[in-house]
Amino acid sequence: DTAVSQTPKYLVTQMGNDKSIKCEQNLGHDTMYWYKQDSKKFLKIMFSYNNKELIINETVPNRFSPKSPDKAHLNLHINSLELGDSAVYFCASSPLALNEQFFGPGTRLTVL
Amino acid sequence: AQSVTQLGSHVSVSEGALVLLRCNYSSSVPPYLFWYVQYPNQGLQLLLKYTSAATLVKGINGFEAEFKKSETSFHLTKPSAHMSDAAEYFCAVSAEGASGSARQLTFGSGTQLTVLP
Repeated sequence: DTAVSQTPKYLVTQMGNDKSIKCEQNLGHDTMYWYKQDSKKFLKIMFSYNNKELIINETVPNRFSPKSPDKAHLNLHINSLELGDSAVYFCASSPLALNEQFFGPGTRLTVL
Repeated sequence: AQSVTQLGSHVSVSEGALVLLRCNYSSSVPPYLFWYVQYPNQGLQLLLKYTSAATLVKGINGFEAEFKKSETSFHLTKPSAHMSDAAEYFCAVSAEGASGSARQLTFGSGTQLTVLP
């Protein structure tokens, strides 16, 4: 039973395209996150949703738009992809009362 | 504001030797502290966490860490390294959000642990 799942695992696309990454958690957690890990392995939070409401929105280009249809899902849509968007994107979830975050396996995005 | 500094982006130890990965934090409020491990091409897995209870925290796979407030440190140790410990290790700090909402994790830059035979 996968706790936090992401699709696709790999995504290769051309500059200028629009793409989406999906995330689902079956842990019943209230809060979900998107992180970006760059080529130097540096992890930075992008967004956080609590019960479908956006609560953290770091300095991220507005080409990135998170969407949470329900509290078990948090999708990431990226418009007009750029070379610098190439990275591994991780979804995570946590219960509000605790602070431990559970991470998905990651989506490796390559923009050509 | 909170931040984490991991000293040493690469650490190499021999199999059976002590593992010591260093982490110093900065936080304006009492922090929660975490160590995560990332194996190649995988997501992050929690090793252990400090949440203001015991200062010496034991985690999975024989790892432990000690919270030292006076030194603002949370170093990760393991008495005897195993080949399977080779991975990227991340220290993270979290503090409560401005409106009492979910705490935000801030990660260090990671330490790549290599275990030599």
